[in-house]
Amino acid sequence: QKEVEQNSGPLSVPEGAIASLNCTYSDRGSQSFFWYRQYSGKSPELIMSIYSNGDKEDGRFTAQLNKASQYVSLLIRDSQPSDSATYLCAVNSFDGNNRKLIWGLGRSLAVNP
Amino acid sequence: DTEVTQTPKHLVMGMTNKKSLKCEQHMGHRAMYWYKQKAKKPPELMFVYSYEKLSINESVPSRFSPECPNSSLLNLHLHALQPEDSALYLCASSQDPRAAESYEQYFGPGTRLTVT
Repeated sequence: QKEVEQNSGPLSVPEGAIASLNCTYSDRGSQSFFWYRQYSGKSPELIMSIYSNGDKEDGRFTAQLNKASQYVSLLIRDSQPSDSATYLCAVNSFDGNNRKLIWGLGRSLAVNP
Repeated sequence: DTEVTQTPKHLVMGMTNKKSLKCEQHMGHRAMYWYKQKAKKPPELMFVYSYEKLSINESVPSRFSPECPNSSLLNLHLHALQPEDSALYLCASSQDPRAAESYEQYFGPGTRLTVT
């Protein structure tokens, strides 16, 4: 069973701090990795995609991928109260016939003013 | 433009009703998805249409019936649902389901379904 593990306990950081979210995945053949943000009562919103090892930066967000360790992370710099949401890690997995996203459980982030 | 639209926003239906959820995208994407999401859980894949053909059915009960009339539209027909089917139903689309590099999925706002 292909899995994505994400620490699902709530994370609380003060405003202006760096929030760090991580997940590990089991499928070594996975080639694409995504972070979604979901506000309460809303749908998931794609905020970062990463396909190759290393860092990818977009504004205050940095995604990091290490395929050897099967690890993907999201850093949010200068966290704002508006970043308070659930963050979902998703990994593209291919079973020989079909591609689909395998999801982590999500982690709630609270940024305290 | 990465917009996927869904109607209705909210739906309340009885267990004997028949209703449909609708989804539309105009991004030229060739894959469309239905997901079900319960509170505090990740989205759960139900169906995938790839180039307008059903490519994945995740053993969904037959009371859910998907339809893809064309490359921009996706419907989910509902019949004889149970209270436990109450959830947020999400539609998503992606550019090319065959390519890992084009697998970014964009979600619509969802339909909040309540079965009474």
